[in-house]
Amino acid sequence: KQEVTQIPAALSVPEGENLVLNCSFTDSAIYNLQWFRQDPGKGLTSLLLIQSSQREQTSGRLNASLDKSSGRSTLYIAASQPGDSATYLCAVTGANSKLTFGKGITLSVRP
Amino acid sequence: DAGVTQSPTHLIKTRGQQVTLRCSPISGHKSVSWYQQVLGQGPQFIFQYYEKEERGRGNFPDRFSARQFPNYSSELNVNALLLGDSALYLCASTPQGRDGYTFGSGTRLTVV
Repeated sequence: KQEVTQIPAALSVPEGENLVLNCSFTDSAIYNLQWFRQDPGKGLTSLLLIQSSQREQTSGRLNASLDKSSGRSTLYIAASQPGDSATYLCAVTGANSKLTFGKGITLSVRP
Repeated sequence: DAGVTQSPTHLIKTRGQQVTLRCSPISGHKSVSWYQQVLGQGPQFIFQYYEKEERGRGNFPDRFSARQFPNYSSELNVNALLLGDSALYLCASTPQGRDGYTFGSGTRLTVV
């Protein structure tokens, strides 16, 4: 059974800091990994999708890496801003095409 | 292009009642999935449909059922509601099951 872990559960940083959010998964037989952002009470916004054959993806100030063999992914956020405050979830797609999510990391960026 | 749309946005039901949630996928997406998210947790998989056929079911009781229509829209039905069914219900669509998912804004269900 696939399990996805995100530690810590919450993180508070000052504005401008570069930060790394970690995600680990137990079964390396995945098709892809997606990072999502969720604002309080809202749906999920897809940030980055990394296919299993890829090592990383970049979008603006965001960079996500994937090490499938070790079951790890990181989301790097450069020059954090208060508007980045949200919960960040990673999810892996398995052979049955379903997403397995971590519990998320709640990020607070202080002005 | 419209994204994934869900209705209603919020609703309140009484224990024992039945509820139907609706989802319209992105145009051209043939696969729709449903997820339940309780406060403080990641979303949990409920159902996946592709081309109107059920392709997967999560660990949810038979009170939960779903279907997909010829236009690829979908409904999630929950019977005999319990307080523990209170959650954010999310719908996601994808061109095929492994191409990355786009989520709707969700339906917030409160059971009292």
